Amino acid sequence: QKEVEQDPGPLSVPEGAIVSLNCTYSNSAFQYFMWYRQYSRKGPELLMYTYSSGNKEDGRFTAQVDKSSKYISLFIRDSQPSDSATYLCATIEGGGSNYKLTFGKGTLLTVNP
Amino acid sequence: DSGVTQTPKHLITATGQRVTLRCSPRSGDLSVYWYQQSLDQGLQFLIQYYNGEERAKGNILERFSAQQFPDLHSELNLSSLELGDSALYFCASSWGGSGSSYNEQFFGPGTRLTVL
Repeated sequence: QKEVEQDPGPLSVPEGAIVSLNCTYSNSAFQYFMWYRQYSRKGPELLMYTYSSGNKEDGRFTAQVDKSSKYISLFIRDSQPSDSATYLCATIEGGGSNYKLTFGKGTLLTVNP
Repeated sequence: DSGVTQTPKHLITATGQRVTLRCSPRSGDLSVYWYQQSLDQGLQFLIQYYNGEERAKGNILERFSAQQFPDLHSELNLSSLELGDSALYFCASSWGGSGSSYNEQFFGPGTRLTVL
């Protein structure tokens, strides 16, 4: 079993839709949970991260972590064509100056105008 | 622009050859990470250096090696290349200081390696 599982999609939605992206993880020691966005032919960029369980909101984006079920979610409200990208969930193993990021395979999202 | 630079952007080579990928971290960042991204495996951590020393190792093959120089730039050396090594190779950097909080990793634009 991979440490982080993510449905690769692809996911295609109309502009303005609410998008839900999800991951599951297996290692209960993971404490930090990240969502990265990767545009085509670019490097991943951090969208947001949460520590432990709970919700975090940033504009149209909400990240949710449920440690009891080892479930990570990203919600995008009022989706825009500019949100079209691959979204990667990731978790941290390590601490101090050691940060091994473990990624899901990514979900390709297309928002159609 | 993340501030992390990688050269070259593209590399085409033959099986059995050796190549070197180069990464310059953001100004002030002490940690450099290397990742490999392929369609079937996704984005996988290879190795981390912190201020010149190896700090963590992931799924890095023995044919691959890396180092971080005193000016903090890093090189990833890939030898005896195989068709399956074709992938995107990303470098990321972070401040990497001590403490338990997360230091964001900033990714470079990547090097696309094609092995023919």
